[in-house]
Amino acid sequence: GENVEQHPSTLSVQEGDSAVIKCTYSDSASNYFPWYKQELGKGPQLIIDIRSNVGEKKDQRIAVTLNKTAKHFSLHITETQPEDSAVYFCAASEVDYKLSFGAGTTVTVRA
Amino acid sequence: NAGVMQNPRHLVRRRGQEARLRCSPMKGHSHVYWYRQLPEEGLKFMVYLQKENIIDESGMPKERFSAEFPKEGPSILRIQQVVRGDSAAYFCASSPQGLQAGDTQYFGPGTRLTVL
Repeated sequence: GENVEQHPSTLSVQEGDSAVIKCTYSDSASNYFPWYKQELGKGPQLIIDIRSNVGEKKDQRIAVTLNKTAKHFSLHITETQPEDSAVYFCAASEVDYKLSFGAGTTVTVRA
Repeated sequence: NAGVMQNPRHLVRRRGQEARLRCSPMKGHSHVYWYRQLPEEGLKFMVYLQKENIIDESGMPKERFSAEFPKEGPSILRIQQVVRGDSAAYFCASSPQGLQAGDTQYFGPGTRLTVL
């Protein structure tokens, strides 16, 4: 089955700096890669996703890049703000509907 | 349009009891997915259902766990004879169609099960 690894497990950044989270996946058949933000006591919320026919996607301060050859994808958050503090999960879709999640990255933005 | 609803939000059970977790998908969504999140871990896929059908239950333990999504009413995840290792957050997600149609999954707030 699909195995998704996520790094780092914790990330502390100064407000205004950038944050980068990286994930690798094992199944070359995976073609859908969403990123979720989970705040304390809440369910994961989709923040951005990318499909295998695209190498990069951007939405305001958030961008995701995908390298299918190397089987890794990354989340970039620029100009971080305190409200960006949360746990972020990457995921890969092995079979269209079955998401495999990374273990999560706890991001803390220091004011 | 209300989001995915789950209840109860918190559930405490003693070992050997049954736990029933409910999920109401977003309006217009006919696909439901259940995931389990153990402490400090990512979500793990359990089961995928459409109305009255189990599509894939490969992530769900063969014993004590069952899921249904009836024609009317919420999807139910049922855990019989709970053990302490079942303590986790259980999340439900829904989508209008399957992901192959270009959909995304939208998650509910989860049910946190604690087994004493």
